[in-house]
Amino acid sequence: GENVEQHPSTLSVQEGDSAVIKCTYSDSASNYFPWYKQELGKGPQLIIDIRSNVGEKKDQRIAVTLNKTAKHFSLHITETQPEDSAVYFCAANPPETALIFGKGTTLSVSS
Amino acid sequence: DGGITQSPKYLFRKEGQNVTLSCEQNLNHDAMYWYRQDPGQGLRLIYYSQIVNDFQKGDIAEGYSVSREKKESFPLTVTSAQKNPTAFYLCASSNSGQKETQYFGPGTRLLVL
Repeated sequence: GENVEQHPSTLSVQEGDSAVIKCTYSDSASNYFPWYKQELGKGPQLIIDIRSNVGEKKDQRIAVTLNKTAKHFSLHITETQPEDSAVYFCAANPPETALIFGKGTTLSVSS
Repeated sequence: DGGITQSPKYLFRKEGQNVTLSCEQNLNHDAMYWYRQDPGQGLRLIYYSQIVNDFQKGDIAEGYSVSREKKESFPLTVTSAQKNPTAFYLCASSNSGQKETQYFGPGTRLLVL
Protein backbone atom coordinates (compact mmCIF):
# COMPACT_ATOMS: atom_id res chain seq x y z
CA GLY A 1 0.00 0.00 0.00
CA GLU A 2 0.86 3.68 -0.10
CA ASN A 3 3.51 5.00 2.29
CA VAL A 4 4.16 8.71 2.84
CA GLU A 5 7.39 9.91 4.43
CA GLN A 6 7.63 13.50 5.70
CA HIS A 7 10.72 15.49 6.70
CA PRO A 8 11.76 17.19 8.86
CA SER A 9 9.74 16.29 11.94
CA THR A 10 10.51 19.68 13.51
CA LEU A 11 11.53 22.96 11.90
CA SER A 12 12.44 26.23 13.60
CA VAL A 13 12.82 29.45 11.61
CA GLN A 14 13.07 33.15 12.28
CA GLU A 15 10.18 35.38 11.29
CA GLY A 16 10.57 36.43 7.67
CA ASP A 17 12.59 33.36 6.66
CA SER A 18 11.33 30.64 4.31
CA ALA A 19 10.32 27.16 5.43
CA VAL A 20 10.35 24.00 3.29
CA ILE A 21 8.77 20.66 4.18
CA LYS A 22 9.33 17.62 1.98
CA CYS A 23 7.32 14.44 1.42
CA THR A 24 7.86 11.30 -0.60
CA TYR A 25 5.25 8.72 -1.59
CA SER A 26 5.52 5.15 -2.81
CA ASP A 27 2.41 4.45 -4.94
CA SER A 28 2.85 5.86 -8.44
CA ALA A 29 -0.95 5.67 -8.90
CA SER A 30 -1.51 8.41 -6.30
CA ASN A 31 -2.61 11.56 -8.05
CA TYR A 32 -3.77 14.03 -5.40
CA PHE A 33 -1.54 15.62 -2.76
CA PRO A 34 -3.02 17.97 -0.14
CA TRP A 35 -1.29 19.82 2.68
CA TYR A 36 -3.01 20.45 6.01
CA LYS A 37 -2.22 22.82 8.88
CA GLN A 38 -3.22 21.78 12.39
CA GLU A 39 -3.26 24.11 15.36
CA LEU A 40 -3.17 22.76 18.88
CA GLY A 41 -6.35 20.94 19.88
CA LYS A 42 -8.07 21.51 16.53
CA GLY A 43 -8.79 19.53 13.39
CA PRO A 44 -6.50 19.85 10.36
CA GLN A 45 -7.34 22.58 7.85
CA LEU A 46 -6.53 22.28 4.15
CA ILE A 47 -4.09 25.00 3.09
CA ILE A 48 -3.16 23.97 -0.44
CA ASP A 49 -3.35 20.93 -2.71
CA ILE A 50 -1.97 19.80 -6.03
CA ARG A 51 -3.13 17.29 -8.59
CA SER A 52 -0.81 15.12 -10.62
CA ASN A 53 -1.24 16.98 -13.89
CA VAL A 54 0.35 20.12 -12.37
CA GLY A 55 3.97 20.68 -11.31
CA GLU A 56 3.54 23.73 -9.08
CA LYS A 57 0.79 25.71 -7.42
CA LYS A 58 0.98 28.98 -5.46
CA ASP A 59 -1.37 30.76 -3.12
CA GLN A 60 0.09 33.98 -1.72
CA ARG A 61 2.96 32.96 0.61
CA ILE A 62 2.39 29.24 0.16
CA ALA A 63 3.48 27.06 -2.75
CA VAL A 64 3.57 23.34 -3.44
CA THR A 65 5.77 21.57 -5.99
CA LEU A 66 5.33 18.04 -7.32
CA ASN A 67 7.87 15.78 -9.01
CA LYS A 68 5.97 12.70 -10.19
CA THR A 69 9.06 11.00 -11.59
CA ALA A 70 10.85 11.16 -8.26
CA LYS A 71 7.59 10.73 -6.31
CA HIS A 72 8.11 13.66 -4.02
CA PHE A 73 6.32 16.91 -3.28
CA SER A 74 7.19 19.90 -1.12
CA LEU A 75 5.51 22.75 0.73
CA HIS A 76 7.18 26.16 0.62
CA ILE A 77 6.20 28.98 2.97
CA THR A 78 7.81 32.35 2.34
CA GLU A 79 8.02 35.36 4.67
CA THR A 80 7.03 33.24 7.65
CA GLN A 81 5.02 34.81 10.47
CA PRO A 82 4.47 33.65 14.08
CA GLU A 83 0.90 32.62 13.16
CA ASP A 84 2.37 30.07 10.73
CA SER A 85 3.51 28.07 13.78
CA ALA A 86 1.58 24.79 13.73
CA VAL A 87 1.85 21.14 12.71
CA TYR A 88 1.79 20.56 8.95
CA PHE A 89 0.77 17.27 7.32
CA CYS A 90 1.22 16.11 3.77
CA ALA A 91 -0.95 13.36 2.29
CA ALA A 92 -1.32 11.26 -0.83
CA ASN A 93 -4.49 9.76 -2.29
CA PRO A 94 -3.94 6.26 -3.74
CA PRO A 95 -6.74 4.62 -5.76
CA GLU A 96 -9.71 3.01 -4.01
CA THR A 97 -8.90 4.23 -0.51
CA ALA A 98 -8.64 7.30 1.70
CA LEU A 99 -5.81 9.79 2.12
CA ILE A 100 -2.57 8.44 3.59
CA PHE A 101 -0.82 11.02 5.78
CA GLY A 102 2.78 11.73 6.67
CA LYS A 103 3.70 11.92 10.35
CA GLY A 104 3.72 15.70 10.45
CA THR A 105 6.17 18.59 10.81
CA THR A 106 6.04 20.93 13.79
CA LEU A 107 6.93 24.40 12.50
CA SER A 108 7.99 27.06 15.00
CA VAL A 109 8.39 30.66 13.83
CA SER A 110 10.12 32.92 16.32
CA SER A 111 9.89 36.70 16.21
CA ASP B 1 -23.55 27.09 9.16
CA GLY B 2 -22.11 24.21 7.15
CA GLY B 3 -19.44 21.83 8.26
CA ILE B 4 -18.53 18.79 10.30
CA THR B 5 -19.37 18.50 13.97
CA GLN B 6 -17.94 16.03 16.44
CA SER B 7 -19.16 15.42 19.94
CA PRO B 8 -18.24 15.33 22.67
CA LYS B 9 -15.03 17.39 22.71
CA TYR B 10 -13.68 15.25 25.57
CA LEU B 11 -14.75 11.72 26.47
CA PHE B 12 -13.73 9.50 29.35
CA ARG B 13 -13.84 5.74 29.19
CA LYS B 14 -13.71 3.27 32.04
CA GLU B 15 -12.08 -0.13 31.72
CA GLY B 16 -14.26 -2.60 29.82
CA GLN B 17 -16.63 0.07 28.58
CA ASN B 18 -17.69 0.76 25.00
CA VAL B 19 -17.98 4.42 24.02
CA THR B 20 -19.38 6.04 20.89
CA LEU B 21 -18.04 9.17 19.22
CA SER B 22 -20.43 11.20 17.12
CA CYS B 23 -19.70 12.72 13.70
CA GLU B 24 -22.26 14.68 11.68
CA GLN B 25 -21.85 16.62 8.44
CA ASN B 26 -24.22 18.88 6.52
CA LEU B 27 -22.00 19.26 3.45
CA ASN B 28 -23.94 16.61 1.50
CA HIS B 29 -20.72 14.63 1.15
CA ASP B 30 -20.91 10.97 0.17
CA ALA B 31 -17.72 9.79 1.88
CA MET B 32 -16.81 9.94 5.56
CA TYR B 33 -13.68 8.88 7.45
CA TRP B 34 -12.34 8.27 10.93
CA TYR B 35 -8.69 8.87 11.85
CA ARG B 36 -6.80 8.38 15.07
CA GLN B 37 -4.00 10.79 15.99
CA ASP B 38 -1.24 10.00 18.47
CA PRO B 39 1.78 12.23 19.20
CA GLY B 40 4.43 11.74 16.51
CA GLN B 41 2.28 9.25 14.59
CA GLY B 42 0.37 11.48 12.21
CA LEU B 43 -3.17 10.51 11.25
CA ARG B 44 -3.95 6.83 10.90
CA LEU B 45 -7.08 5.63 9.13
CA ILE B 46 -9.52 3.57 11.21
CA TYR B 47 -12.57 3.18 8.94
CA TYR B 48 -14.06 4.92 5.95
CA SER B 49 -17.39 4.87 4.14
CA GLN B 50 -17.93 5.91 0.56
CA ILE B 51 -21.69 5.44 0.58
CA VAL B 52 -24.56 4.81 2.98
CA ASN B 53 -24.72 1.26 4.41
CA ASP B 54 -21.18 0.47 3.26
CA PHE B 55 -17.79 0.92 4.96
CA GLN B 56 -14.25 -0.43 4.77
CA LYS B 57 -11.54 -1.07 7.33
CA GLY B 58 -8.52 1.17 7.40
CA ASP B 59 -5.06 0.42 8.73
CA ILE B 60 -5.99 0.20 12.44
CA ALA B 61 -9.61 -1.03 12.56
CA GLU B 62 -9.13 -3.61 15.33
CA GLY B 63 -11.10 -2.69 18.46
CA TYR B 64 -13.35 -0.22 16.61
CA SER B 65 -16.72 -0.44 14.87
CA VAL B 66 -18.76 1.96 12.74
CA SER B 67 -22.16 2.28 11.10
CA ARG B 68 -23.41 4.41 8.22
CA GLU B 69 -27.19 4.38 8.32
CA LYS B 70 -27.56 7.98 7.17
CA LYS B 71 -25.53 10.03 4.72
CA GLU B 72 -24.84 12.77 7.26
CA SER B 73 -23.79 10.56 10.19
CA PHE B 74 -20.85 8.20 10.78
CA PRO B 75 -20.53 7.25 14.47
CA LEU B 76 -17.44 5.43 15.75
CA THR B 77 -17.61 2.97 18.66
CA VAL B 78 -14.44 2.29 20.61
CA THR B 79 -14.94 -1.16 22.08
CA SER B 80 -13.40 -2.74 25.14
CA ALA B 81 -11.21 -4.76 22.75
CA GLN B 82 -9.23 -1.58 21.99
CA LYS B 83 -6.59 -1.79 24.72
CA ASN B 84 -4.98 1.58 24.14
CA PRO B 85 -7.82 3.95 23.21
CA THR B 86 -6.35 7.20 24.55
CA ALA B 87 -5.94 9.43 21.49
CA PHE B 88 -7.37 12.34 19.52
CA TYR B 89 -10.05 11.13 17.07
CA LEU B 90 -10.76 13.03 13.88
CA CYS B 91 -13.70 12.64 11.53
CA ALA B 92 -13.59 13.87 7.94
CA SER B 93 -15.82 13.93 4.89
CA SER B 94 -15.43 14.45 1.15
CA ASN B 95 -17.29 14.08 -2.09
CA SER B 96 -16.77 10.59 -3.41
CA GLY B 97 -13.99 9.77 -5.82
CA GLN B 98 -10.25 10.14 -5.81
CA LYS B 99 -8.66 13.60 -5.78
CA GLU B 100 -11.43 15.00 -3.64
CA THR B 101 -10.61 17.24 -0.70
CA GLN B 102 -11.26 15.90 2.79
CA TYR B 103 -12.62 18.32 5.37
CA PHE B 104 -12.04 17.62 9.04
CA GLY B 105 -14.10 18.12 12.16
CA PRO B 106 -12.71 19.62 15.39
CA GLY B 107 -11.91 16.24 16.96
CA THR B 108 -12.76 14.31 20.12
CA ARG B 109 -10.13 13.57 22.75
CA LEU B 110 -10.69 10.20 24.42
CA LEU B 111 -9.14 9.52 27.79
CA VAL B 112 -9.16 6.34 29.85
CA LEU B 113 -9.95 6.57 33.56
